[in-house]
This record gives sequence, structure tokens and C-alpha cells, in this order.
Amino acid sequence: ELKVEQNPLFLSMQEGKNYTIYCNYSTTSDRLYWYRQDPGKSLESLFVLLSNGAVKQEGRLMASLDTKARLSTLHITAAVHDLSATYFCAVDPDSWGKLQFGAGTQVVVTP
Amino acid sequence: SAVISQKPSRDICQRGTSLTIQCQVDSQVTMMFWYRQQPGQSLTLIATANQGSEATYESGFVIDKFPISRPNLTFSTLTVSNMSPEDSSIYLCSVEGAGNTEAFFGQGTRLTVV
Repeated sequence: ELKVEQNPLFLSMQEGKNYTIYCNYSTTSDRLYWYRQDPGKSLESLFVLLSNGAVKQEGRLMASLDTKARLSTLHITAAVHDLSATYFCAVDPDSWGKLQFGAGTQVVVTP
Repeated sequence: SAVISQKPSRDICQRGTSLTIQCQVDSQVTMMFWYRQQPGQSLTLIATANQGSEATYESGFVIDKFPISRPNLTFSTLTVSNMSPEDSSIYLCSVEGAGNTEAFFGQGTRLTVV
């Protein structure tokens, strides 16, 4: 059974500091997604990582994928309040859109 | 990219009734996926809907409770049958975009059962 473990589950951030969210998964997959969800809203796609060593950056967020270690990280640089949300990683082991999600990391950024 | 229109966006329903959720995509897709997100939880896949065949359900989900239709390559419905308060969740449909490089989600249907 595929397992996707995300940690931490809750992250209290101070504005201006750097943090990392980790996503481990238990089976081979060359495709990993990161999503953001605001309360009461649907998922907003942040990154799609398609190969080993993939690194993508958008603003203060940077995601990377190590398929050999079965690990992806989402790094937040100089956190700001607007980044408060829940972040999910999801694995697509069969590469046809059927996703297995991590539990999510609730991020709260405070001054 | 794929644009997904999901209806209704929210509903409040009486227990014992059924609600049908619609998902319309702006392009033809082979597979459509239905997920449930219970309050404060992550997303769990309910089933995969292929056009022209029965939906494939994940462990813990059954067709009698969550019947799915897939009449063509751009449309699917999920019905939540004989609802109880435990069915209160956000239901989302998802498709894979052209080129098989990204999964797109509808806006979700927030269901409250009273």
C-alpha cells in the first residue's frame, strides 16, 4: 500500500524566517505534486515535479524531488503572512492522474 | 491546462436524501477522478471514472453509496446517496491535463448534511 507521509503537520512560522516541509513516499514514483489550499477553497497547484533531481521555484517557494530517496521538500524562504494555508504533497505512481495525498501541513505565519 | 466546472459549489441536504454533483471539463479526458475531503482531513480518492465502463472504486467506497456516471469524455457525475451527517465533506473532481503532466481540480462541492 502506497503511503505518503508529510511532516510537520503543523508549522508556525515567523515572518522573515526559512522553513521546510518534507514529503516521503513509500513506492516508486516519478511524479510529485505540491498544492496549496486556503480554508474552504479547492486546491491550487504549486509545483509538478516530474523527474529525479527536479527543482522548481516560484517566489518564496522552492520544491525539489529525490526519487531515489523517495523524498520531496517544499522550502519557504522569508515567510510572509500571505503564505498561511495548508500545503499538500501528492504522489502519482502510475502517472495517469490518480493521486495519493499526504496528510497536509497547516502553515500559520505570524509577525 | 484543463478548466473544470463543478456544480453545485455547496449544498445543505437533509439526511436520507441524495445529491448529484456534476463535473464538466473543457476538453476531452480519458479518466476523471472523484475525491472526498472530510473536515480537517486530506483528500481521499473515491473512484476513477472512465467513459464507457464502470467506475473503479477505492477500498472503503461502494457503488451503491457513490454511484458515478461518465456519459462522455467531458462530463461526469457523482451521487452521494442516502446521506448522513458523516457524508459532510468537500467533494472534488480531478482530471489529468493534456500531455499527462499535471492534475487539475474543480472548485469543489461543499456538502453539509443535517
